[in-house]
Amino acid sequence: DIQMTQSPSAMSASVGDRVTITCRASQGISNYLAWFQQKPGKVPKRLIYASSSLQSGVPSRFSGSGSGTEFTLTISSLQPEDFATYYCLQHNSYPRTFGQGTKLEIK
Amino acid sequence: EVQLVESGGGLVKPGGSLRLSCAASGFSFSTSTMTWVRQAPGKGLEWVSCIDSGSSHIFSADSVKGRFTISRDNAKNSLYLEMNNLRAEDTAVYYCVTGDANVWGQGTMVTVSS
Repeated sequence: DIQMTQSPSAMSASVGDRVTITCRASQGISNYLAWFQQKPGKVPKRLIYASSSLQSGVPSRFSGSGSGTEFTLTISSLQPEDFATYYCLQHNSYPRTFGQGTKLEIK
Repeated sequence: EVQLVESGGGLVKPGGSLRLSCAASGFSFSTSTMTWVRQAPGKGLEWVSCIDSGSSHIFSADSVKGRFTISRDNAKNSLYLEMNNLRAEDTAVYYCVTGDANVWGQGTMVTVSS
């Protein structure tokens, strides 16, 4: 099975900050990676698919990059509504696997 | 509007069984791979199982193999998860999700406790 390791597991940042979250795959997954945002008590929402494609309706301050084993989600200028938990998901092979999550909190 | 609505969750004793259902609407369910994802209270997301459009290919996480069975009825636009021999660690919100993980249902809570 492919293991997905996210870092950091938690972080605090301020409104306006640039934030980067990393996801590493235990083996190459090409660009078969998606990023999700989940707010407390809410359903996860897909932000990015195919590593770098922005989901329709998602603000352009979100971007994704990477291929192979290392991927990043970047938020260029944090907004109050961005404080949430973020997950990566590999869909290169079965079983699909999520990263353990990154909780982004207000500093 | 694309919609997934889960049902069938509840409280069950360890070793018991439960069948979850997911009603799909607003998209071509019969041509879509479908997935179940779960989330234990306060924990992360866990991929559980998926089934292709024709029920030819089914994949499941090791944690549920031999106990959970995913199935679908394309005529009814419905996805199912039959859960047997339930354990406390199966306690979670279970989400019905399209294969590309773009659309999620609201989830149904399963609690396994004596």
